[in-house]
Amino acid sequence: EIVLTQSPDTLSLSPGERATLSCRASPSVSSVYFAWYQQKPGQPPRLLIYGASTRATGIPDRFSGSGSGTDFTLTISRLEPEDFAVYYCQQYGSSSLTFGGGTKVEIK
Amino acid sequence: QVQLVQSGAEVKTPGASVKVSCKTSGYTFTKYGINWVRQAPGQGLEWMGWISGYNGNTKYAQKFQDRVTMTTDTSTSTSYMELKSLISDDTAVYYCARGGGVVPTVHFDYWGQGTLVTVSS
Repeated sequence: EIVLTQSPDTLSLSPGERATLSCRASPSVSSVYFAWYQQKPGQPPRLLIYGASTRATGIPDRFSGSGSGTDFTLTISRLEPEDFAVYYCQQYGSSSLTFGGGTKVEIK
Repeated sequence: QVQLVQSGAEVKTPGASVKVSCKTSGYTFTKYGINWVRQAPGQGLEWMGWISGYNGNTKYAQKFQDRVTMTTDTSTSTSYMELKSLISDDTAVYYCARGGGVVPTVHFDYWGQGTLVTVSS
């Protein structure tokens, strides 16, 4: 099973700041099969990024994804009030799909 | 528009089974599959398995292999997830999410609203 480790657990930032979230895979993952999701309290997750760097439909361009192999990054260029949420990475390239443990982006 | 609408909350006793439904609309059911993901209170996301809307093939996470059954009804574009031998640790919100139609290796682009299953004596 591919294990995804997200860091940090919590990111405390102010609106307008840049957020950088990390996800490390062990063993490595093809970037073709890598995604990021956003989840707000009481809501289902929402797809942000797939294929490591392709924004899903309707996702603002302040969200960007990058990385390959074992290290992936989600960047939010300028945090808007609605971006404070929990973010999960996911790999879907192996026979057993897995999620990371999540990073909470909270208001400082 | 694509919609996945799940059945309502359930309360079960330990040892019982639960069956959650996921009724889809707004797309061709047989061109996609359905994944099931659960989230225990305050915890992260856990993938349980996938079923093809095209041919009913399934792929279950090893953890749930012996207890879960996923099925589809193409006549109503509905997917079902049954979990047996429930224990208190199965208390969670269960989500369905649209994925690959022929293989499970596809991202999840639409999600149901979630179904809370509570297991308590």
